Amino acid sequence: QSVLTQPPSPSATPGQRVTIFCLGGSSNIGRNDVCWYQQFPGAAPKLLIYKNNQRPSGVPDRFSGSKSGTSASLAISGLRSEDEADYYCAAWDDSLNGVVFGGGTKLTVL
Amino acid sequence: QLQLQESGPGLVKPSETLSLTCTVSGASISRNNPYWGWIRQPPGKGLEWIGSFYYGGSTYYNPSLKSRVSMSVDVSKNQLSLRLTSVTAADTAVYYCARPATGVSGGSWFDPWGLGILVTVSS
Repeated sequence: QSVLTQPPSPSATPGQRVTIFCLGGSSNIGRNDVCWYQQFPGAAPKLLIYKNNQRPSGVPDRFSGSKSGTSASLAISGLRSEDEADYYCAAWDDSLNGVVFGGGTKLTVL
Repeated sequence: QLQLQESGPGLVKPSETLSLTCTVSGASISRNNPYWGWIRQPPGKGLEWIGSFYYGGSTYYNPSLKSRVSMSVDVSKNQLSLRLTSVTAADTAVYYCARPATGVSGGSWFDPWGLGILVTVSS
């Protein structure tokens, strides 16, 4: 069981906007910044969003992050087939004194 | 450009010690790049943080692994090391080294990541 909960995301079609959620608590998302990683099969995770809503250089602005209270979300607009991947949220947890990850959301682009 | 590459045995026997090395290239492990970490991912499962450390001494380990894990750095070789003792099949995973961008605690993030190395625990 992951400390951060990522509900399954419904399948989406190209061009749509999809939102992936990450639910936490007062000791993690409620107090610390959230980041998001994108992972393709057989590859290492890649940083997608940091500090809740900041994009590293090279990440398209189709990807956006937000945080409210003890939950965070990753939105992908203008969905493309190449966005099909696993997405993980992460945050520091003050109670565990460590990094916690969500269980991951597999995004399927039909 | 900072790059990380994990290396080590791909097969470890149960109850033995898993030892991995991460070679850093494109930058030196120093005050300018002092923060490092390890994450693992069992086959078909999600990511699990193993620990993060500051090359000068501070370490943070996953509480569930703390009694078995140790991390160190060899500045002369620009390498990180991970040791996990008394391994079981549950430790079978792809192991990644990565750099926490701003520190070993708080709201940091990992970037970049190494390619990862699959370690299987089996007799």
